[in-house]
Amino acid sequence: AQKITQTQPGMFVQEKEAVTLDCTYDTSDPSYGLFWYKQPSSGEMIFLIYQGSYDQQNATEGRYSLNFQKARKSANLVISASQLGDSAMYFCAMSPLSGGYQKVTFGIGTKLQVIP
Amino acid sequence: KAGVTQTPRYLIKTRGQQVTLSCSPISGHRSVSWYQQTPGQGLQFLFEYFSETQRNKGNFPGRFSGRQFSNSRSEMNVSTLELGDSALYLCASSLAGQGPDTQYFGPGTRLTVL
Repeated sequence: AQKITQTQPGMFVQEKEAVTLDCTYDTSDPSYGLFWYKQPSSGEMIFLIYQGSYDQQNATEGRYSLNFQKARKSANLVISASQLGDSAMYFCAMSPLSGGYQKVTFGIGTKLQVIP
Repeated sequence: KAGVTQTPRYLIKTRGQQVTLSCSPISGHRSVSWYQQTPGQGLQFLFEYFSETQRNKGNFPGRFSGRQFSNSRSEMNVSTLELGDSALYLCASSLAGQGPDTQYFGPGTRLTVL
């Protein structure tokens, strides 16, 4: 079974500052992928970044980076230079590499508010 | 390339009615998954379709069903609606549906059951 834990229900960050959103996971699958999605108040889930369990380097996508620590089973999202438009819910998710079908498990999310 | 589209965006129904939601995936994507999102339960997986076949199903009652057409468009049906079915229903598509394939989500259909 897969489990994603996001322990921060809400976070505040000053505009232009960096912020880290925590995510820990548990799985018995030997290979898996980790995702972060952003959900603004409009409801649409926006894909941000992906990290494979076999990747040696941490993933980066523009202002987003994923701090992947496999031994600790953590996949924290780092947003640099926060912008007002970053205010949203953020979800961590994972899926096993094997299985031949989608089997995505989501965390409960963290609400990020960027303060001017 | 157009994103995932879902229709309708908003629905209001009464208990006992049935509803059909539609999802058009990104062109070329063959896997379509459906999720229910509520404040209390978060995002819960409903089912996944690939090449018109249901490959994976979450833990939902039989009132929830779906199908996928040859053009990969998918529909989801909920019969005998209950108050607890009020939720945001999200559809996501991916290229081949081989985990972990990145899923791209639509804007969702917000269903209110009165």
